Amino acid sequence: SAVISQKPSRDICQRGTSLTIQCQVDSQVTMMFWYRQQPGQSLTLIATANQGSEATYESGFVIDKFPISRPNLTFSTLTVSNMSPEDSSIYLCSVDAFSTIYFGEGSWLTVV
Amino acid sequence: GENVEQHPSTLSVQEGDSAVIKCTYSDSASNYFPWYKQELGKRPQLIIDIRSNVGEKKDQRIAVTLNKTAKHFSLHITETQPEDSAVYFCAALKKEYGNKLVFGAGTILRVKS
Repeated sequence: SAVISQKPSRDICQRGTSLTIQCQVDSQVTMMFWYRQQPGQSLTLIATANQGSEATYESGFVIDKFPISRPNLTFSTLTVSNMSPEDSSIYLCSVDAFSTIYFGEGSWLTVV
Repeated sequence: GENVEQHPSTLSVQEGDSAVIKCTYSDSASNYFPWYKQELGKRPQLIIDIRSNVGEKKDQRIAVTLNKTAKHFSLHITETQPEDSAVYFCAALKKEYGNKLVFGAGTILRVKS
């Protein structure tokens, strides 16, 4: 299996600020994904982080709000910009490794 | 695009009984179906998965069945234990460039001792 490290694990953020979440994988992977899980809800894909090109965003998510970087095959960042209380969620990094989808431990963000 | 429906939304069983959670999917091209268990305050953990070339897969007390014709798949947990209490998510994925998991809404399983 793939080992995925996410930072920060938790944070309390002031509205209007931005926070960058880091995701590090212990092996090179082609596909990295960012999901959001709002309180009591299921997981929703935000975007696919592509190495060497811009991320591919799902309907309802835009680059200005969720800029993503993918500088190499083991690392990605997701920034949540201009946060509001509605952005309070778990943000999860995910990879497709060995034909299986694995999740990082998640970043619990609370916006106050 | 793919749409996954999951039932029931909550399920309470007595310890030792079996639990069954069902999911349906819309895209007949989907070919990978994982199940995740999420305990409170933790990330989703893969517990079992099945690919479209297989009809059933079992791992100890957990089994998954897939009916491609009807486009549904089910999670079966036998001899349930209190530690099985969690939220369970099914998902479907079409293995191609841009492998995107589409999740069901989740099932809260409570095992009463």
